Formats: sequence, C-alpha cells, structure tokens
Amino acid sequence: DSGVTQTPKHLITATGQRVTLRCSPRSGDLSVYWYQQSLDQGLQFLIQYYNGEERAKGNILERFSAQQFPDLHSELNLSSLELGDSALYFCASSPRGREVSYNEQFFGPGTRLTVL
Amino acid sequence: DQQVKQNSPSLSVQEGRISILNCDYTNSMFDYFLWYKKYPAEGPTFLISISSIKDKNEDGRFTVFLNKSAKHLSLHIVPSQPGDSAVYFCAASALDTGNQFYFGTGTSLTVIP
Repeated sequence: DSGVTQTPKHLITATGQRVTLRCSPRSGDLSVYWYQQSLDQGLQFLIQYYNGEERAKGNILERFSAQQFPDLHSELNLSSLELGDSALYFCASSPRGREVSYNEQFFGPGTRLTVL
Repeated sequence: DQQVKQNSPSLSVQEGRISILNCDYTNSMFDYFLWYKKYPAEGPTFLISISSIKDKNEDGRFTVFLNKSAKHLSLHIVPSQPGDSAVYFCAASALDTGNQFYFGTGTSLTVIP
C-alpha cells in the first residue's frame, strides 16, 4: 500500500459526459502528479501540482483540468469525453517537487475509465 | 514523441536465471533514471534509481546499469524469482523539468518456475 488513494476504482460513462477523478496523496506529500496510461502505452504525464499550485504541465488536453485543494487532495476533471479517453488514470505523490531535487513518486492504484 | 523507449514488450526467463530489461532514451538532458514495477490492478511501485553521475547502482538482487554515451540503461535481476513476474517501466527525469518523469511503455516479465 503506497498510501496514495484514488476514487473511484472504475468508472463507466458515455461520450460527451464529464467525470471527476479524485486523489489523496500520502500524508505529508505536497506534490501530486496525474498520469494517463492508454492501451499498450507508457504512463503519459498530464499535470503536476505542488502545494496547491500548478507546477508542470505535460500532454494534457484542453478538455481536461485539475486542481489541488488546501487539504492537498487533487481532482482531475475530464469533460466532453471521447472514446479515446478510455484509459487508466494514475495519481502519484512525492514529498517535494518544487525545489531542485529528485524524489521517487508513490502511485495510487489508478482509476479505470471506460467511455462507451 | 516517446523520449523513453522499451523496445521489448515482453520477456520470459527461467527461475534462478538472470533477467535483463533494457531501456533507451533520446533526451541527453535526462540525468536521473528510475525503474518501477507494476502488478495487475495496482499502481507502479518504485524499484531502484540511478543518477547520471553513476554508471551502476545495486540493491539486493536488482542492479541498474547506465551507459550515458549510448543513452541506454538496463535492469538486471539475479536470481529471478516467480514473484518478479510483473510489468517493469523505466522512467527518466531532467533537472530543468523539476520532478516530471517520462516513462517507457513497459516490459512484461514472466519468470517461469
């Protein structure tokens, strides 16, 4: 158990809909990262938040947005869903992420999104 | 543009033998590399890392080798055990991208008892 929790575990929805994925980082971790893993793909970095502020942006579509709340949990909002958005979405956390240092990231179990 | 590549989608090894998983990268600015292991229905878990100032890092049965000139790293598992059967991802990071990781597509390792 990494200490990172994600809800829901599975989500099935229809094209055009909007969903929200939730992530609670490990206690004390300030950085939250979101990744997308599509079929036969590696983990694609979407976005990072550090202590409530956006820190880095990867290949995140404009239809997707995220935020990190004062209690450090994060939500990833996916709107106008398309079939191609079906994927595993992972959240990870690390203690730091702002200063120049490296930290391993601790991953949650993921949310499997199926768009029909 | 896949900056980190794992060209072998799968690998089968006999129990007790050595498993060698390979990873190539294109960005010469990468200076920190990690290996993650993933079981089905779980998130990836950190296995071992290496900084670009080293060419080898060892942790028990796991050793990571880095060849900067070839932009290549490898993970050696000796001896391989059935519990090592999982998908292994390599990841890389560069100083100027903060803690952003670039992941490969993974290699599925099967250790045959």
